[in-house]
Amino acid sequence: GQSLEQPSEVTAVEGAIVQINCTYQTSGFYGLSWYQQHDGGAPTFLSYNALDGLEETGRFSSFLSRSDSYGYLLLQELQMKDSASYFCAVISSYKLIFGSGTRLLVRP
Amino acid sequence: EAQVTQNPRYLITVTGKKLTVTCSQNMNHEYMSWYRQDPGLGLRQIYYSMNVEVTDKGDVPEGYKVSRKEKRNFPLILESPSPNQTSLYFCASSPITAGTGYNEQFFGPGTRLTVL
Repeated sequence: GQSLEQPSEVTAVEGAIVQINCTYQTSGFYGLSWYQQHDGGAPTFLSYNALDGLEETGRFSSFLSRSDSYGYLLLQELQMKDSASYFCAVISSYKLIFGSGTRLLVRP
Repeated sequence: EAQVTQNPRYLITVTGKKLTVTCSQNMNHEYMSWYRQDPGLGLRQIYYSMNVEVTDKGDVPEGYKVSRKEKRNFPLILESPSPNQTSLYFCASSPITAGTGYNEQFFGPGTRLTVL
């Protein structure tokens, strides 16, 4: 079957760097995407990796290793507003499959 | 403003009473989808549509119906709601591009449904 594994919760200090990992098991892999969701809000798209390597978008970077079925989201210079849930997602057989999410808590 | 809208935002209903949640997007996106979100389970895809008149089941389609008669609209229908369909529902749309496929989903604000 298909599944994505990510840690349920991560805590970090303001200004620090945090990495949220995602391992996946799926057939017909087409790339890994990341979404952010604040409490009470809708998910918003952050990034997408189709090929191996690092994609950088401001303070956020996302990495993919297809051979290891693994990716991560890297958040730098953490701010209080980064406290949210983060989901990795893959497309498998035309369906979009999401991980169960990682709740990031940023402390002062 | 480019957006996905859903109505209603909140709904309390009783078992067996048919309901429809509307979804509309103004971005001319080909791909549309419905998800439900339950604590600890993330987002699970209910149905998706690659284009007008083309719909298919996601991972949790039981108890739901959809239609895609126009490109902008993708209503979710619960013919006979049951308490296990109490959840937070999101509609989303995405362009289908060579670069990202349909990975860049734009989500509506969500509909919180309670079935008593």
